[in-house]
Amino acid sequence: QQQVKQSPQSLIVQKGGISIINCAYENTAFDYFPWYQQFPGKGPALLIAIRPDVSEKKEGRFTISFNKSAKQFSLHIMDSQPGDSATYFCAPPGGASKIIFGSGTRLSIRP
Amino acid sequence: DAGVIQSPRHEVTEMGQEVTLRCKPISGHDYLFWYRQTMMRGLELLIYFNNNVPIDDSGMPEDRFSAKMPNASFSTLKIQPSEPRDSAVYFCASSPITSGGYTFGSGTRLTVV
Repeated sequence: QQQVKQSPQSLIVQKGGISIINCAYENTAFDYFPWYQQFPGKGPALLIAIRPDVSEKKEGRFTISFNKSAKQFSLHIMDSQPGDSATYFCAPPGGASKIIFGSGTRLSIRP
Repeated sequence: DAGVIQSPRHEVTEMGQEVTLRCKPISGHDYLFWYRQTMMRGLELLIYFNNNVPIDDSGMPEDRFSAKMPNASFSTLKIQPSEPRDSAVYFCASSPITSGGYTFGSGTRLTVV
């Protein structure tokens, strides 16, 4: 019941660079598009989210870009830092509110 | 706010034994979710509750798995009998609204030997 496709599976970025992670979804009924960040040994934590009535949302170094017609949304991390090294999940809610997680992207920031 | 509290943090048990994982959601959250995470399968939703009532248990892998939520502040996930393939990290999460952010606990790492 995979309704999201996340890419890339892993990503290595130099410190200070831009990290970009993409998520494609199928269900046009989704009305909330969050990204979660997970550090080793911890549970996923909500990082940033967007509603479909806007095309972009920025919080500090983190930006969500949303393309409704293409059914895609992406996470951009500007000035990437070693502390950003984590696994990132796109996770729009599915039917009856349950979250369907993508496969995750393992991000490594090289110092 | 102490967040979502799970216990135990780690559990090692022998195959065939019963295992009970526990979760205390954030007060006031109406939804509670149980997820399982493995390298091979990623994060899988097992079951979720709304106001203590199980809504969707289609992700529960087998009859060996059962979950209960006797009240708004406590839920359990039980595996009986446990098998080595049940080894995973089990997360509990809660949410106050239907399509909003979830708060996850720190998880229970289960190892069945």
